[in-house]
Amino acid sequence: GAGVSQSPRYKVAKRGQDVALRCDPISGHVSLFWYQQALGQGPEFLTYFQNEAQLDKSGLPSDRFFAERPEGSVSTLKIQRTQQEDSAVYLCASSPNHLTSPNTGELFFGEGSRLTVL
Amino acid sequence: DAKTTQPPSMDCAEGRAANLPCNHSTISGNEYVYWYRQIHSQGPQYIIHGLKNNETNEMASLIITEDRKSSTLILPHATLRDTAVYYCIVRVRNSWGKLQFGAGTQVVVTP
Repeated sequence: GAGVSQSPRYKVAKRGQDVALRCDPISGHVSLFWYQQALGQGPEFLTYFQNEAQLDKSGLPSDRFFAERPEGSVSTLKIQRTQQEDSAVYLCASSPNHLTSPNTGELFFGEGSRLTVL
Repeated sequence: DAKTTQPPSMDCAEGRAANLPCNHSTISGNEYVYWYRQIHSQGPQYIIHGLKNNETNEMASLIITEDRKSSTLILPHATLRDTAVYYCIVRVRNSWGKLQFGAGTQVVVTP
């Protein structure tokens, strides 16, 4: 597709359930980012992939959060045993390979997946 | 990456120029100033970036002070569709570096 695609757009989970959020980056984009955005706040960095390698996961709030990108394209953010404080919009962004192609440093964001934990 | 300071909100009349300030007094020599905006229920959208020269594109103009400690994003003719949260971010260009968003400025364009 033309842009970053995320699914589902909306997810309601009961506390304690596991959820999986999917991100389809722009074709050919090497870099992929996940952000968490709580209501009324700016996005907070969670994790970063270069191709299939997860180079930074310093923003993941707990070991209940796990992200993968096994083939260097689609990525999944998994949250185990969801808690109410996990309620947020989860944003995915992708970017071309900044090392080998002209790049403004721009990240292309999807519309996000809104997670509500009851 | 250096931190930025922005006013929490501002209003602008439709058709007028909107001038959005940002302070980044601890910016390093190799850090660029980036602006993104986020319209309600959408992901952030890149607007413009610059190092030390003023920049202009089809969306906006970016004015960076000579000492680089502050900048202003200018929307020359604001429309209702420009209502959004505007984020000023500084980071090293072409590093993988994650964008660090602050709270941004909520801009409301009124008829």
